[in-house]
Amino acid sequence: QSVLTQPPSISAAPGQKVAISCSGSNSNIGNSYVTWYQQLPGTAPKLLIYENNKRPSEIPDRFSGSKSGTSATLVITGLQTADEAEYHCGVWDSSLRSEVFGGGTMLTVL
Amino acid sequence: QLQLQQSGPGLVKPSETLSLTCTVSGGSFSSSPWYWGWIRQPPGRGLEWIGSISYTGNTYDNPSLRSRLIMSVDSSKNQFSLKLNSVTAADTAVYYCTRHYDFWSGYYPHGVGHHWGQGTLVAVSS
Repeated sequence: QSVLTQPPSISAAPGQKVAISCSGSNSNIGNSYVTWYQQLPGTAPKLLIYENNKRPSEIPDRFSGSKSGTSATLVITGLQTADEAEYHCGVWDSSLRSEVFGGGTMLTVL
Repeated sequence: QLQLQQSGPGLVKPSETLSLTCTVSGGSFSSSPWYWGWIRQPPGRGLEWIGSISYTGNTYDNPSLRSRLIMSVDSSKNQFSLKLNSVTAADTAVYYCTRHYDFWSGYYPHGVGHHWGQGTLVAVSS
């Protein structure tokens, strides 16, 4: 059972837009910065978004992140088949004194 | 560019010690603001942070694993290591080493996985 809640799966057609949610509490998302990772099939995760909405330089601007209260959202626009992957959210939990993650969301681009 | 190369056995017997090493190349090992972390992913499940260590040996760890966990650094070899004692089948997972900022200081970006190793599948089985 993960501390953060993500939908297990989501699907959309190429070119469309998707939003992946990550829900937590006041002890984690509510008072810290959210990080998002992309994990392509059979590979290690890769940093996608950090500090809620910042992108490493190599990440295209089709990927964006936001946070409101105790939830965070990853939005991907102009979906491509190469975006098929599992997406994970993570954040520091001040009560648990530990980094915590969601269970991951598998994105299928039909 | 930065590379994290993991090494260690892929099979460990129950009750024994899981040991993994991560060798860093293409970047500075013994400097701030870097921390060196370990994250695992059981088959078909989400990520779990294990712990992180600085080049000075300062550590942060997951309280649920603390009693079984030993992390260490060898700056002369640009390596950091993980030992997890008394393993059971529940410790079967892909283990990743990572590099991240010292976000606990309050000055640097959060997140425990800014760069990742390739991953090592460790199975606990007799």
